[in-house]
Amino acid sequence: DTGVSQDPRHKITKRGQNVTFRCDPISEHNRLYWYRQTLGQGPEFLTYFQNEAQLEKSRLLSDRFSAERPKGSFSTLEIQRTEQGDSAMYLCASSFGRMNTEAFFGQGTRLTVV
Amino acid sequence: KNEVEQSPQNLTAQEGEFITINCSYSVGISALHWLQQHPGGGIVSLFMLSSGKKKHGRLIATINIQEKHSSLHITASHPRDSAVYICAVTGRSQGGSEKLVFGKGTKLTVNP
Repeated sequence: DTGVSQDPRHKITKRGQNVTFRCDPISEHNRLYWYRQTLGQGPEFLTYFQNEAQLEKSRLLSDRFSAERPKGSFSTLEIQRTEQGDSAMYLCASSFGRMNTEAFFGQGTRLTVV
Repeated sequence: KNEVEQSPQNLTAQEGEFITINCSYSVGISALHWLQQHPGGGIVSLFMLSSGKKKHGRLIATINIQEKHSSLHITASHPRDSAVYICAVTGRSQGGSEKLVFGKGTKLTVNP
């Protein structure tokens, strides 16, 4: 297992377009988290899954954002009708058990909305 | 006021210097994490601790639960230590607090 992988690493899109990011967690990890990080800031929580169930969503996650984790393996994060304010690094992390266990992060997807 | 505060925001050191980064938090926690982020975005977990002190190579992390404070120390710093160091905490309560809350990070530059 090579760790948490995210695809794509970089995405440039025009305002108003839809984008979808993928995260493949470490295979035995049941918990998967999405975070967003803007320049000069620490990451902010967006949502997390335990297996296929989405257990919590941040208020940051507007109606334009949707996340899925079908079958409890990989996850996708979709942003519809992108806005310039969506430009950020989107980070995925996974862990086994509760969050007090070590979290493993992917390399992130950097989104630029022009 | 952020739930997790780090200081300093930026730190420049000469190779070989002893470095300390501080983290204070205002919420009840079950664990505190120190993370390292290199340019390009990837985050690596350095430590997870809920009490006392942990050491890994040249890195040492301490936490004082009563004072709600943690420090990350780097001994004999090296240019390859240059990165952003992020403090994050996980909440103690059940259900809705099972997520990391991050500080803004400390950008460390170690010059040769």
